[in-house]
Amino acid sequence: KAGVTQTPRYLIKTRGQQVTLSCSPISGHRSVSWYQQTPGQGLQFLFEYFSETQRNKGNFPGRFSGRQFSNSRSEMNVSTLELGDSALYLCASSRGQGFTEAFFGQGTRLTVV
Amino acid sequence: GQSLEQPSEVTAVEGAIVQINCTYQTSGFYGLSWYQQHDGGAPTFLSYNALDGLEETGRFSSFLSRSDSYGYLLLQELQMKDSASYFCAVYTNAGKSTFGDGTTLTVKP
Repeated sequence: KAGVTQTPRYLIKTRGQQVTLSCSPISGHRSVSWYQQTPGQGLQFLFEYFSETQRNKGNFPGRFSGRQFSNSRSEMNVSTLELGDSALYLCASSRGQGFTEAFFGQGTRLTVV
Repeated sequence: GQSLEQPSEVTAVEGAIVQINCTYQTSGFYGLSWYQQHDGGAPTFLSYNALDGLEETGRFSSFLSRSDSYGYLLLQELQMKDSASYFCAVYTNAGKSTFGDGTTLTVKP
């Protein structure tokens, strides 16, 4: 079966712009989590969605938001981009609410200039 | 809050055994997972422990001690392709997941 698909793979934006990233989870998976990864850093948790509801949110400013659709696809939006938002944004899907095994997409590499 | 500690770098030779430790502090601990990430790639799931003890999957094993808030990933018969970053991640019963900063494993010939 198809894995987790994230689009676009690469993105270059200028400061002040906004961006929307998309994640299609594995078919049948209802939980989608988003992470930010910067060079040399671990994965910083952004938020988790399950059945269209945000279940948890990490310690990121309100400029970072997300949503999940009825088909479990998820989007995250970052408004008023800052240089520090340059990172790899990873999406992970899992079958249920438990995080026993998550499948990651290849990520979207966002560069803010 | 939650915090995890794992070594930043580990080096070993091909064929050897290496252990990557992870200590954590969290409330509502539910389970500990391990992920592997090659340069430029996505993290891939390796193992999950919710109960104390050792879980073995081929050359990789993972151990958990809930009383010590400690776990480790054991890699046996190291191969060059095992050179990667390894992350431990805790999951709480509140549904939050936190990843460690990762351990870069370098396998030398």
